[in-house]
Amino acid sequence: AQSVTQLDSHVSVSEGTPVLLRCNYSSSYSPSLFWYVQHPNKGLQLLLKYTSAATLVKGINGFEAEFKKSETSFHLTKPSAHMSDAAEYFCVVRGVGVTFGTGTKLQVIP
Amino acid sequence: EPEVTQTPSHQVTQMGQEVILRCVPISNHLYFYWYRQILGQKVEFLVSFYNNEISEKSEIFDDQFSVERPDGSNFTLKIRSTKLEDSAMYFCASSEARGNVNIQYFGAGTRLSVL
Repeated sequence: AQSVTQLDSHVSVSEGTPVLLRCNYSSSYSPSLFWYVQHPNKGLQLLLKYTSAATLVKGINGFEAEFKKSETSFHLTKPSAHMSDAAEYFCVVRGVGVTFGTGTKLQVIP
Repeated sequence: EPEVTQTPSHQVTQMGQEVILRCVPISNHLYFYWYRQILGQKVEFLVSFYNNEISEKSEIFDDQFSVERPDGSNFTLKIRSTKLEDSAMYFCASSEARGNVNIQYFGAGTRLSVL
């Protein structure tokens, strides 16, 4: 079985402070892991991907994520939040088919 | 930058009517997908398509649904007789390859409202 758990449905941070969006997964295979972002009324945009190369993955807009096999986690981080980061973020696992997490809404407070 | 385009952006239909949602994948991509997102719920995989046939489908993708690549550029999702619960955002995606290096690029979605 394959599953994705995004531990927080909402995260609120002040502009300029760090962002942490948590994702845990389970998969019987060695999965690929992705983070997508969805801005209001927009499609899903790929932020970054892990495909068994480096465990620390850098993505667009200053985001990065670290694959930790022992913790089955793939948390998304950014050192300093920007107002434009306010969106919904989805952690996605591809092992057997594709499974989306339930999403985390990020609010950035000025 | 190439992108996946979906039309229309919003489709309103009466229950029981047929709808066709259209997608133009990125031109050199070979794998195509449909997902849906019911309001307030997670994104759900519907179907994947390669070489003119369905390669994977979920339980949601029942006999009411069908997909087609009618020409070299379009990829369509047809719902034969819409139900109220089909109201959702439908996303099309495409990728160059399958497997672990697969990166799916998504369109902006079509919002389907069934009345």
